[in-house]
Order: sequence, then structure tokens, then C-alpha cells
Amino acid sequence: EVQLVESGGGSVQPGGSLRLSCAASGFTFNTYWMAWVRQAPGKGLEWVASIKQDGGERFYVDSVKGRFTLSRDNAKNSLYLQMNALRAADTAVYYCVREDHATYVVWGQGTLVTVSS
Amino acid sequence: EIVLTQSPATLSVSPGERATLSCRASQSVSTNLAWYQQKPGQAPRLLISGASTRAAGVPARFSGSGSGTEFTLTISSLQSEDFAVYYCQQYKNWPPMYTFGQGTKLEIK
Repeated sequence: EVQLVESGGGSVQPGGSLRLSCAASGFTFNTYWMAWVRQAPGKGLEWVASIKQDGGERFYVDSVKGRFTLSRDNAKNSLYLQMNALRAADTAVYYCVREDHATYVVWGQGTLVTVSS
Repeated sequence: EIVLTQSPATLSVSPGERATLSCRASQSVSTNLAWYQQKPGQAPRLLISGASTRAAGVPARFSGSGSGTEFTLTISSLQSEDFAVYYCQQYKNWPPMYTFGQGTKLEIK
């Protein structure tokens, strides 16, 4: 079964850090672009970042550039999102997604990040 | 940045009736447009890619059309499980900043 399972969400104060992880299974992980998409409470979907199969290219939405770092470990079939200098506006459910020809066919269940003092 | 505008924000339709949802792009995206369905507490689900190609397992009552800047998602005969929020997404950009519309909530009339 194709599956993405996120972990690492939680509550953190403004300025703090969190590292999200995504464990992939059921498909050949190193042949797909991967991404994170987030959804603030009661709001719509927002693409956050994408990474190429070999990790050689990474792209970020402007609002997280310089604060978030996307990486992957193909040996462990895992995707990571290091989030630093967190702000209240980063509060959201973060979904790990597999890109299939630029569309998001496979989604994880999401992990909630809450940034609040 | 390509901005997608969905209309209406909320659509009230009775079961068995047809629903038509719109998505307008601020510039041409050709047919690089997808539609997603999201139910409460769940991750989104891909319905349509390439503006009109149904994803695997998606019922035939869902259809997509359009190109350039104007797109439509039509649900021909609404079932109870179709009441959800629908998002369009463009994937024409490179680098891959794939923006979403703000969503249309389809509710039971």
C-alpha cells in the first residue's frame, strides 16, 4: 500500500523550531519529487516546499525562505522539514505529498504545528 | 505568481442535482490545472488533472473542462458523499510554486 506518514508536529513558542518527518512506503521513493503542503485552521491549501528526487533542487514559498529547510534521505525513504524561527502564521496542518507529474496524488494524514506563546 | 480565483465561495445544491464550480487563473496555465476534494478532517484527494483527466477511482459523474484561464468542475448528479470543499491548483509555474485557489464549499441545500 502506498503510504505517507508524518510526525514531529506539536506546539512551540514563536521563534522556536520543529522538525517534521515523513516516512514513505509502498513505492520507489527516490523516483519522485516530494513536497509539503500546509493548511492553516479553517483556511485553504498552500504549497510550502518541493524537493527533487536526488535532493539536488529545492524550492520554497517566499514566506518560509531562509527559515525552513527541506531534505530527504532516500536510503530511509524519508522526507524532512526543518522549521526555524517559527511564527504564528506558520500554524497549520502540514501534509507530506508525493508529486506525480506536478500533481499531488498521494497525501499523508497531516501533522499539526501550533505556534503560540 | 499565478493567482487562482474560485467561484462561488459556497454553493448550495440538492442531492441528485448538477453542481458547477469555476476556477479562473490570472494568466494562462494552458491545461496545467488540477481539482482536489477535501472532506472535514481528511487530506485532500486528487480528482482531476490536466484540466479534464479523472484520477484513478474517481467516479464518472466528476468532469473537468477548460483551458487557458477559465476552468470548470462539474458534478453531474450529486451524491451525499460529494459535499465537501473543492480546490483548484495550477502547475504551470517553474520553479514549482504550484498555487491553489481559495476553495469552494459545496453544501447540501
